[in-house]
Amino acid sequence: QSVLTQPPSVSGAPGQTVTISCTGSSSNIGARYDVHWYQQLPGTAPKLLIYDDTYRPSGVPDRFSGSRSGTSASLAITGLQAEDEADYYCQSYDSSLRVLFGGGTKLTVL
Amino acid sequence: QLQLQESGPGLLEPSETLSLTCSVSGVSVTSPNYYWGWFRQAPGKGLEWVGTISYGGGTYHSPSLRGRLAISIDTSRNQFSVNVSSVTAADTAIYYCARHAGSNGWSPNDVWGQGTLATVSS
Repeated sequence: QSVLTQPPSVSGAPGQTVTISCTGSSSNIGARYDVHWYQQLPGTAPKLLIYDDTYRPSGVPDRFSGSRSGTSASLAITGLQAEDEADYYCQSYDSSLRVLFGGGTKLTVL
Repeated sequence: QLQLQESGPGLLEPSETLSLTCSVSGVSVTSPNYYWGWFRQAPGKGLEWVGTISYGGGTYHSPSLRGRLAISIDTSRNQFSVNVSSVTAADTAIYYCARHAGSNGWSPNDVWGQGTLATVSS
């Protein structure tokens, strides 16, 4: 059971917008530790998608955006494309000096 | 160009010690700008943090592995390593090494190795 909670799956048609939530608590996201998001394509290593809540590394399309509020964070993907089909993970930290991951969300592009 | 490459035994028996090394090229593991992390992913499961080591050798361990984990840095070879002792089938996973893009344990992991599968089986 992950400390950060994500929906197991989300889906959307090409061109649509999907949002993936990541819910924590007052000892992690609520304690103002940054949230990062990763995309993992099948059979590959994770790739940093969003860091420090809202920033995109160079090369990540602006279709991907992050936000946070209170003890939760969200990843939004607009203009959904077939190549976005992957697993997505949120990551944060807690006051016990642990790196935390959400359980992961499988995105299916219909 | 920064690259990380894991190496280790692919197959172990229960109770043995898993030893993995991450070879780093393109940046020094002693750079004060970065920390270095180990992660794993059991078959069909999500990502799990194993531990992190600072450029100065300070370590942070996952509570689920505390007591069985040792992380070290080899500055002469520009590598960092992880040992997991007394392994069981539950330690079967793809193990990844990754750079923390900052001098703290909560900085994002911006560069990852390709991962190496470690299977524990008798």
